[in-house]
Amino acid sequence: LAKTTQPISMDSYEGQEVNITCSHNNIATNDYITWYQQFPSQGPRFIIQGYKTKVTNEVASLFIPADRKSSTLSLPRVSLSDTAVYYCLLTGGGNKLTFGTGTQLKVEL
Amino acid sequence: EAQVTQNPRYLITVTGKKLTVTCSQNMNHEYMSWYRQDPGLGLRQIYYSMNVEVTDKGDVPEGYKVSRKEKRNFPLILESPSPNQTSLYFCASSLLPSGGADTQYFGPGTRLTVL
Repeated sequence: LAKTTQPISMDSYEGQEVNITCSHNNIATNDYITWYQQFPSQGPRFIIQGYKTKVTNEVASLFIPADRKSSTLSLPRVSLSDTAVYYCLLTGGGNKLTFGTGTQLKVEL
Repeated sequence: EAQVTQNPRYLITVTGKKLTVTCSQNMNHEYMSWYRQDPGLGLRQIYYSMNVEVTDKGDVPEGYKVSRKEKRNFPLILESPSPNQTSLYFCASSLLPSGGADTQYFGPGTRLTVL
């Protein structure tokens, strides 16, 4: 089962851009890269998904290099409300989904 | 409103007393799954269901049962709860049977304490 590796935690300040990188060396051809956000005691919420190159929506951007062995979630101008856990998943390779422990992002004033 | 609902939201019970946590979605999704979340361990999948009457084990199925008799409902059953099943549980659903260009919708969570 393809796994992902991401930093355990990151700290930032309001107004800064935050980039969270996820490694997935064994990504399969039919895998998509999906990011979720989770606030304490709430269910994860979909942020963004991509297959290759760059994807942008109103919340974030996702950068995927040509070899697809890693991806970077970019959050522009973070605010305190962006403090959450961010999960990188590979979806498409099977029916089991592995969330891992995610990256705890802490945004301060 | 499209949503996944879980009941109860909070439950305190005792060891060995059978309990059921209900999960329902109103989006006509085929795929549903249950996760548990524990400090330092992230989200771990317990069981999932591709469609009615089709269920399979996730990563941590021991001590749990599920059923999928209707498309919209996917209850989680603990026949004989033990303290190590104290956790935060999430139900999720998605349109496609996992993966691909698809997203999972999560319920609000059920915080279970087994004494």
